[in-house]
Amino acid sequence: GQQLNQSPQSMFIQEGEDVSMNCTSSSIFNTWLWYKQEPGEGPVLLIALYKAGELTSNGRLTAQFGITRKDSFLNISASIPSDVGIYFCAGQSREFYFGTGTSLTVIP
Amino acid sequence: ETGVTQTPRHLVMGMTNKKSLKCEQHLGHNAMYWYKQSAKKPLELMFVYNFKEQTENNSVPSRFSPECPNSSHLFLHLHTLQPEDSALYLCASSQDRGYVYNEQFFGPGTRLTVL
Repeated sequence: GQQLNQSPQSMFIQEGEDVSMNCTSSSIFNTWLWYKQEPGEGPVLLIALYKAGELTSNGRLTAQFGITRKDSFLNISASIPSDVGIYFCAGQSREFYFGTGTSLTVIP
Repeated sequence: ETGVTQTPRHLVMGMTNKKSLKCEQHLGHNAMYWYKQSAKKPLELMFVYNFKEQTENNSVPSRFSPECPNSSHLFLHLHTLQPEDSALYLCASSQDRGYVYNEQFFGPGTRLTVL
């Protein structure tokens, strides 16, 4: 299947710092999605992007759909302890393809 | 609360047991999915149903058997599983596989351990 390269694999940051993570693919997608998963729970949808170049915010989260349609990034500003979790990107063409996740640890 | 529920949340079974996982969505969606999530791996799509019809079976072993009696309910029947089948099994739903705005909403998962 298609591979989504998500980086970094893990991040350890101080509370209050900004976070940036991204996903790249060799294929074009029509939709990019970002999810957060906390221990023992399923992924929760954070942001959905539908157009190349689209920039969308959800509170302290901002995500962009890359112009080439082959990449997307997610930024979290002023991180707080409850931001801890694993963040997944997903790209959709006909099917959904998921990245391997970025594990975020926020140190108070 | 995503509108997708799964039961049980945890399941421990022997290799000779038969058990079933249940998923229910309250979102009025028409597509439902089963995924397997193992540590350090991307989500693996197992089965897809759209309007109760199975549209995808990603080379899943026959010891996993899905059932979709209606658009709101999805089951995964398990029998003679192997220890390597231990994982988090996630159910998801979306509006319609052919729809442009087709975000998937996930349930909390069933943590399965095969002894």
